[in-house]
Amino acid sequence: EADIYQTPRYLVIGTGKKITLECSQTMGHDKMYWYQQDPGMELHLIHYSYGVNSTEKGDLSSESTVSRIRTEHFPLTLESARPSHTSQYLCASSDWGGGNTIYFGEGSWLTVV
Amino acid sequence: KNEVEQSPQNLTAQEGEFITINCSYSVGISALHWLQQHPGGGIVSLFMLSSGKKKHGRLIATINIQEKHSSLHITASHPRDSAVYICAVSHSGGGADGLTFGKGTHLIIQP
Repeated sequence: EADIYQTPRYLVIGTGKKITLECSQTMGHDKMYWYQQDPGMELHLIHYSYGVNSTEKGDLSSESTVSRIRTEHFPLTLESARPSHTSQYLCASSDWGGGNTIYFGEGSWLTVV
Repeated sequence: KNEVEQSPQNLTAQEGEFITINCSYSVGISALHWLQQHPGGGIVSLFMLSSGKKKHGRLIATINIQEKHSSLHITASHPRDSAVYICAVSHSGGGADGLTFGKGTHLIIQP
């Protein structure tokens, strides 16, 4: 069973608002990721981290930012939300090594009106 | 063009049928993942394989590295198997940073 949690699960906010999506895992994984997925489309990596104080941008350009102050916590922030940010955001984690499973959170559905 | 192609995109079958979902990829990989995503829910990793075949319950995954092709089979399908099945390939150490995803196969099993 995956021990990775995302909050909120669903959120509707107004344009221009600041929002932080939370992601926590209790498995001690160094690697954590944020993916964005539009309905019916494939997942795209927007941010990843290899450990505390490590953050990198993914393949898909995103106006969001992330931080990794603690191993278990990898929040994603949008400073000024826009309707184009409406999407599902999925957090994932894995350990080092080629044989390790990837664990995904339940996802956060964000709607910006 | 997506490096990972899945077929079919949509599949509706009757309970009890044998299901096959295919995945083809165009680049060299270190591992291939099969993931399951339920409506409104998160994603569960079903298999990670780099050669041969793996089985878990009614699910079987195979991969042919030479042909760059993998299949996911479901035996004795059940309505609870209804979900989106996603194929993803890993280019590096197997973690999620090197993953390229297919668009998924939307499976509906009717009672």
